Amino acid sequence: DVKVTQSSRYLVKRTGEKVFLECVQDMDHENMFWYRQDPGLGLRLIYFSYDVKMKEKGDIPEGYSVSREKKERFSLILESASTNQTSMYLCASTENRESRPQHFGDGTRLSIL
Amino acid sequence: AQKVTQAQTEISVVEKEDVTLDCVYETRDTTYYLFWYKQPPSGELVFLIRRNSFDEQNEISGRYSWNFQKSTSSFNFTITASQVVDSAVYFCALRPDRGSTLGRLYFGRGTQLTVWP
Repeated sequence: DVKVTQSSRYLVKRTGEKVFLECVQDMDHENMFWYRQDPGLGLRLIYFSYDVKMKEKGDIPEGYSVSREKKERFSLILESASTNQTSMYLCASTENRESRPQHFGDGTRLSIL
Repeated sequence: AQKVTQAQTEISVVEKEDVTLDCVYETRDTTYYLFWYKQPPSGELVFLIRRNSFDEQNEISGRYSWNFQKSTSSFNFTITASQVVDSAVYFCALRPDRGSTLGRLYFGRGTQLTVWP
């Protein structure tokens, strides 16, 4: 079974802090994704990556950056956290084949005070 | 443009009732994939089914069934004899089959299903 592990289930940070959310997958997947989930808005794509050191902006990249130094790890960075970034963050990975589903981590519920 | 619409925000049923979750999609791609995911209260999204655009056969898996109709751009999900454990948020998603999208999914906003005992 594919395992996608997010480093924290719950996280509380303060406004202005630099925040790192970590995601690791164990199936050698090429593609990895970061979403945020807010009530009534579904899942919105922040960034995704198709290879080491490669990244693409999703639909809402503002205020975020990402890092992929190793194939199995994809980090989401909030450069200067703000209260409107309080949300549930979900990481996913998939093989680079058209029919494969994305596999998701358990999510990180991030609160910015 | 790629878009998925789940018009039902919330549905409540009583156990043993049948329930259908609607999904309508928009895409100009001729080849694409459709997915359903379940998100129980624990938070993790669980993959339920994948369907490609060339396969319009309906599928049944236990109490779950899916109806894909290209003519109406719909991919609806029916739970027969619902149970309390079916309570979750259900997401429909679209994946265009083109290299430029790199496997990204376009999600609907989800339908919260509550099954009462």
